[in-house]
Amino acid sequence: DGGITQSPKYLFRKEGQNVTLSCEQNLNHDAMYWYRQDPGQGLRLIYYSQIVNDFQKGDIAEGYSVSREKKESFPLTVTSAQKNPTAFYLCASSIQQGQGGEKLFFGSGTQLSVL
Amino acid sequence: AQKITQTQPGMFVQEKEAVTLDCTYDTSDPSYGLFWYKQPSSGEMIFLIYQGSYDQQNATEGRYSLNFQKARKSANLVISASQLGDSAMYFCAMRDFNAGNMLTFGGGTRLMVKP
Repeated sequence: DGGITQSPKYLFRKEGQNVTLSCEQNLNHDAMYWYRQDPGQGLRLIYYSQIVNDFQKGDIAEGYSVSREKKESFPLTVTSAQKNPTAFYLCASSIQQGQGGEKLFFGSGTQLSVL
Repeated sequence: AQKITQTQPGMFVQEKEAVTLDCTYDTSDPSYGLFWYKQPSSGEMIFLIYQGSYDQQNATEGRYSLNFQKARKSANLVISASQLGDSAMYFCAMRDFNAGNMLTFGGGTRLMVKP
């Protein structure tokens, strides 16, 4: 079955530590996205990528970094500069970036907590 | 800037009854799209329905329909014949075609279906 796989499901970060969230898709989609969700709130865009080796900052990119070396993979690193990293992180993909009624497909998310 | 407002943080509905979830949006652009997603407790976001700003008829997908009132800038989701499995968070989102094409999400409504 095609889809988006996020791992791990739960992740704990110590103070001053960088952690990386994995996102893999086998839908052959060009565009991939990372969103952050805080309790009781909507999703906010962290980074997005329209094509391999290219990515753009979203609304809340500070303290995060990404890479897109392969079409299938879009890992997100939460750096020590992100002072409030506890949140639910969702990865998504779409055939192309933001065309008309094109929908986003989402993974099942990673819950990141600070120890 | 785009803004999506969902004024109902939580709602109850009796099983088998219909329910309307409110969504209002703010944009000065005539070209945009509106989406509804469902987020069950498992965390992943499930696409439900889409409405384009130039679509003449309200969108329908099975038990879901979108009550699109363009002049009032509202895009309410109507779920008919509620089922226990409909209990979840519901998010309204908008894509502004001339403002980066990113999807902007509202804060969500938690729907609880009572047996």
